[in-house]
Amino acid sequence: DVKVTQSSRYLVKRTGEKVFLECVQDMDHENMFWYRQDPGLGLRLIYFSYDVKMKEKGDIPEGYSVSREKKERFSLILESASTNQTSMYLCASSNTTVGQDKYRDEKLFFGSGTQLSVL
Amino acid sequence: QKEVEQNSGPLSVPEGAIASLNCTYSDRGSQSFFWYRQYSGKSPELIMFIYSNGDKEDGRFTAQLNKASQYVSLLIRDSQPSDSATYLCAVNGWTNAGKSTFGDGTTLTVKP
Repeated sequence: DVKVTQSSRYLVKRTGEKVFLECVQDMDHENMFWYRQDPGLGLRLIYFSYDVKMKEKGDIPEGYSVSREKKERFSLILESASTNQTSMYLCASSNTTVGQDKYRDEKLFFGSGTQLSVL
Repeated sequence: QKEVEQNSGPLSVPEGAIASLNCTYSDRGSQSFFWYRQYSGKSPELIMFIYSNGDKEDGRFTAQLNKASQYVSLLIRDSQPSDSATYLCAVNGWTNAGKSTFGDGTTLTVKP
């Protein structure tokens, strides 16, 4: 089974602190993603990475950065935490396989999530 | 208009009934379609995926895809209280380079 592990289930930080959220996957997946999930706003993509040292902005990258130094690890960094970054953060990984009809087959496997509260 | 729209819900069905969850998408280039189930306080887990027009069955779950109408649905037969969860529709395509676009989800409650 694919395992995606997020370092903390609950985290409480203060405004202005630098926050690191860590994610590790054990299935040699190429792709890794960071989402945040808020009531009424659904899942929103923050950043993603298709390869080591690669990163691409998602839909809401402002206030965040990422690091992918090793294939299995993808870190989300809040440079200076603010109260509007209080949220559930979900890491996911996937592989890209191209099927016979040239479809992209990217099933996402999620970690258990980190509920971050910024006070 | 949102890229992926789902029934706003919540949806409530009695135990044993068929639950029907619907999703429409705006990008005609979309090629892969996924349904994730998310229990309260948990992370999403993949339950169904479909790529071709028509029906795909897996146990009590059936995914239906109609690309001409840009519509995908999930049917849950013989609904059980354990099916009570939020169901997320996600769509992928070549144009968005593998990023899944999610709907806001439909919350299903199955009443015993």
